[in-house]
Amino acid sequence: SQQGEEDPQALSIQEGENATMNCSYKTSINNLQWYRQNSGRGLVHLILIRSNEREKHSGRLRVTLDTSKKSSSLLITASRAADTASYFCATDWGNQFYFGTGTSLTVIP
Amino acid sequence: GAVVSQHPSRVICKSGTSVKIECRSLDFQATTMFWYRQFPKQSLMLMATSNEGSKATYEQGVEKDKFLINHASLTLSTLTVTSAHPEDSSFYICSARDPAGGFTDTQYFGPGTRLTVL
Repeated sequence: SQQGEEDPQALSIQEGENATMNCSYKTSINNLQWYRQNSGRGLVHLILIRSNEREKHSGRLRVTLDTSKKSSSLLITASRAADTASYFCATDWGNQFYFGTGTSLTVIP
Repeated sequence: GAVVSQHPSRVICKSGTSVKIECRSLDFQATTMFWYRQFPKQSLMLMATSNEGSKATYEQGVEKDKFLINHASLTLSTLTVTSAHPEDSSFYICSARDPAGGFTDTQYFGPGTRLTVL
């Protein structure tokens, strides 16, 4: 399977704390993207980091990429209850796009 | 940004019937669209890559006779679940690339179709 893995599978934090989730993948990539999915809904694109980038920021989101370790991390700072969702990484290579297993984040008000 | 729509958003059908799901790119032409399936509390699994004007490429383990994909135009791909059974009940999501952005561009996802087979 080309699917990547994410950890932790589930994460529960208090509002205001930071949340970090990690993604490991198996193939070479053109880029890696992070998505959020609220329960039963479609995907919301969060951020894209290209294979030649190491770190990227967008608002409260910080993404890192280590291609030598085939891993990426997503940091959400100052979390809010509205951040409660599942988060998926997805790798993009050769017109193929594979999702990680996902992290379910619960932010407790 | 580019918009991808899916229709229907929700469908309930009887076992043995066939169901067609449409995926449309609304403001761009997509030579390639992708179909995913997602079971509850699981990740999205790529089912097939749909290429305009040619046969779809199916992932290992996906039955092409069960899941018929047609990409007849640059803005429309359809997934037909033939002779649906309860185990086909799932959330089906399509996506498309905007070729103007090149290979490294973002994929745009449809809102998904929830299929329930009774």
